[in-house]
Amino acid sequence: QQQVKQSPQSLIVQKGGISIINCAYENTAFDYFPWYQQFPGKGPALLIAIRPDVSEKKEGRFTISFNKSAKQFSLHIMDSQPGDSATYFCAASMKNDYKLSFGAGTTVTVRA
Amino acid sequence: GAVVSQHPSWVICKSGTSVKIECRSLDFQATTMFWYRQFPKQSLMLMATSNEGSKATYEQGVEKDKFLINHASLTLSTLTVTSAHPEDSSFYICSATGANYGYTFGSGTRLTVV
Repeated sequence: QQQVKQSPQSLIVQKGGISIINCAYENTAFDYFPWYQQFPGKGPALLIAIRPDVSEKKEGRFTISFNKSAKQFSLHIMDSQPGDSATYFCAASMKNDYKLSFGAGTTVTVRA
Repeated sequence: GAVVSQHPSWVICKSGTSVKIECRSLDFQATTMFWYRQFPKQSLMLMATSNEGSKATYEQGVEKDKFLINHASLTLSTLTVTSAHPEDSSFYICSATGANYGYTFGSGTRLTVV
């Protein structure tokens, strides 16, 4: 039973465009929501993370939007570049429980 | 930043043999380490959680006698795949967390059992 539902499974975007990936959760005890970027044959790397006391966090071209009432959060990649082509995973964890629940992943392809 | 080193990055072994994968936190003390398994084009599946000096906690369906985890120090955890078979071929990833450090993942180990 996947605790974090992620969509879409894949997306293709033109260079310079915006990539948007959505995640939804049910467990209101989650209090940490990270996004990871994974390249083929490599481990995931933390991209950006948010806690539920803020509605948006921006780091460079990456922005997390968080809607606590809807139990949804999303990743926006602005000005997408071919180097952003990777698989992106959303995740969530609870306070005092260090396990991460991962979404199914989204493969992003940025066409030059 | 926090760095987790995982070795080897790939290994090929014969069916029936055992393989050990190491996960080291290089610049912080990892109070908790996690081991994941990832099949092609799928998400990460948590196999077990280990705390330094105590027995690992395995997720439901993971054979603890096949996947031996040792977390002997605050910087090292090992995963040993015993009596490996072709169905154990997969991408294994560790991650570590410590005080004031979030989750940091290793670079993964591609295991192929022939």
